[in-house]
Amino acid sequence: DARVTQTPRHKVTEMGQEVTMRCQPILGHNTVFWYRQTMMQGLELLAYFRNRAPLDDSGMPKDRFSAEMPDATLATLKIQPSEPRDSAVYFCASGPPLHRGGDTQYFGPGTRLTVL
Amino acid sequence: QKEVEQDPGPLSVPEGAIVSLNCTYSNSAFQYFMWYRQYSRKGPELLMYTYSSGNKEDGRFTAQVDKSSKYISLFIRDSQPSDSATYLCAGTLWRGAAGNKLTFGGGTRVLVKP
Repeated sequence: DARVTQTPRHKVTEMGQEVTMRCQPILGHNTVFWYRQTMMQGLELLAYFRNRAPLDDSGMPKDRFSAEMPDATLATLKIQPSEPRDSAVYFCASGPPLHRGGDTQYFGPGTRLTVL
Repeated sequence: QKEVEQDPGPLSVPEGAIVSLNCTYSNSAFQYFMWYRQYSRKGPELLMYTYSSGNKEDGRFTAQVDKSSKYISLFIRDSQPSDSATYLCAGTLWRGAAGNKLTFGGGTRVLVKP
């Protein structure tokens, strides 16, 4: 049963600390998305990659957030320095190529981040 | 104003009732629409996927899109307590949501009481 995995599942940190979240997309998927979900704003797209190349990171605060795909099996989202307003659930999703039925994104379980 | 709007609920119904969920959107360029279901402390999962206007049925679920009024609906027949979740609608410009940007509504929380 192929799934998107995310680590850590929970993270509590203090303001100013660096936070790194990791995602392993489903094997064979070529698109990876990072979303942030809060009660106030709902589910927002932060950035996404296709074939490891960044396509759109317009939803991401550039001064403190960065997203990378060091290889096809790992995507990272970093926040440095973290702020209390970054507290949210961060979801990673991956999607197969269009010719393989690319009609949906598969979401991971999320990383619940609390910045004190 | 958000591009996709949903009533946050909660929407509470008795078991067996029809659940009716709605979204409105403002981007007339959206071509494809989706409904995702999200259980508490889980990631969203795709329920229904529709293109342009019309109806699509899958078991107890029916999705409707009316592009003229920019209105999306999801109906759940014979609702079960296991349908209790948050339902998110989303729109996208292109086919192949797996590889393209989705714009989500805020979600409607549904409670189905036994």
